[in-house]
Formats: sequence, C-alpha cells, structure tokens
Amino acid sequence: DAGITQSPRHKVTETGTPVTLRCHQTENHRYMYWYRQDPGHGLRLIHYSYGVKDTDKGEVSDGYSVSRSKTEDFLLTLESATSSQTSVYFCAISESPVTEAFFGQGTRLTVV
Amino acid sequence: DQQVKQNSPSLSVQEGRISILNCDYTNSMFDYFLWYKKYPAEGPTFLISISSIKDKNEDGRFTVFLNKSAKHLSLHIVPSQPGDSAVYFCAASAEASGTYKYIFGTGTRLKVLA
Repeated sequence: DAGITQSPRHKVTETGTPVTLRCHQTENHRYMYWYRQDPGHGLRLIHYSYGVKDTDKGEVSDGYSVSRSKTEDFLLTLESATSSQTSVYFCAISESPVTEAFFGQGTRLTVV
Repeated sequence: DQQVKQNSPSLSVQEGRISILNCDYTNSMFDYFLWYKKYPAEGPTFLISISSIKDKNEDGRFTVFLNKSAKHLSLHIVPSQPGDSAVYFCAASAEASGTYKYIFGTGTRLKVLA
C-alpha cells in the first residue's frame, strides 16, 4: 500500500470554528489532492498541489484553503466550518497525472 | 458542469455473469482514464487505467474500453464475483493541457448477487 496517512480520521466540530486536516505521504510523490465525497456527487476535487508551495483550486474550493510547505505534507483548512462541509475527505497522491493516484483512508468530518 | 458522468447510480448482476459499467466525458482534452473501486469506510483503490492512444486495456477479469469519438469508456468485469460489490468511480485527467488533476464521476454502485 502507498504510504499515505490522513489525520484525524474522525472529527466533530462546531459551526464557525477553523479546522485543519492533514495528509502525510512517504512516497515522495509530486502531486497531492484533496477530495470530498458526498452522496450523489461522487468525488469532487477541492484543491491540489503540483509541487512544494504550488497549489491550485479544484471544483469546490470555496471555504477551503491549502498549504504545502514540504513534499510530504498537504494541509486542508476549513477557515470557518459550516454544516455544508460535513463530508468525508480524501487525500490522494500521484507521481504524475497519467499514473494512478493512491488514496488515503479518509477523514469523516461532522460540523454541528 | 459535470465533465465526467456515470449515468447509472446502481447495477445488479448475478455472480458469474458480466458486469458493464459505463462512463461518459465531455472534455476532449482528457487523455488518461482510470477506474477505482471503493468499499464502505475505505479509500478508493485503483483498478485499471487506459491512455487515450489505446482503445482497450485488460488486467485479469477487468477490461476497460475507450471510444474516443463517442467520449465513452466502459469497464467490463468477467466473471463477476460477490467481492466485486462496491462503488466504482471513473476518472479522467488531461496532462497535455498542463493541468494536473483527476476529475471523477459520481460513481456506480455494483451489487453482485450470489
């Protein structure tokens, strides 16, 4: 299995609080991605990174920010959590966009 | 606007028969396509992929077909097994355009009946 770890695995937070999810990889892959999975919507891309300090927005980036200060870590921050951000969040890594991406186990976030 | 579409939310197939999962895309810049399988409470796992220069790729019981003119790909599973019951996602990427992201469909839930 690819060395990719998401933390925390589960989190419950209150509306309006900031939340940071962490994705850590040991594969030295250049590309890292954050997706959210919701019923009826599949996997939607939030943000992605194509190198240290190089990030870009995905399909559903509003309300989220990311940072990648070193190759192995990609952080996703919900600046002020809302109930619509209750979801399962997946991190993925890949060597290039034309090779397979490997996914973490997911973080289940509940905003109450 | 959904660039990758899986129009069948669910599919039921008898064990031993063929499962065919379909996927359509709208962006002609996509040049790499993948299928993932996802079990509950787990991350998606890679199944099989195909480059736009090919029209077929096989790996054991799994075959992916690509029809570029129709912007359509399909995943065939033969023979289907109960352990294949999962949600299947297709995904596409477009390295040639200089973007570096995978766009996923909404998924098809496959149930293989014993």
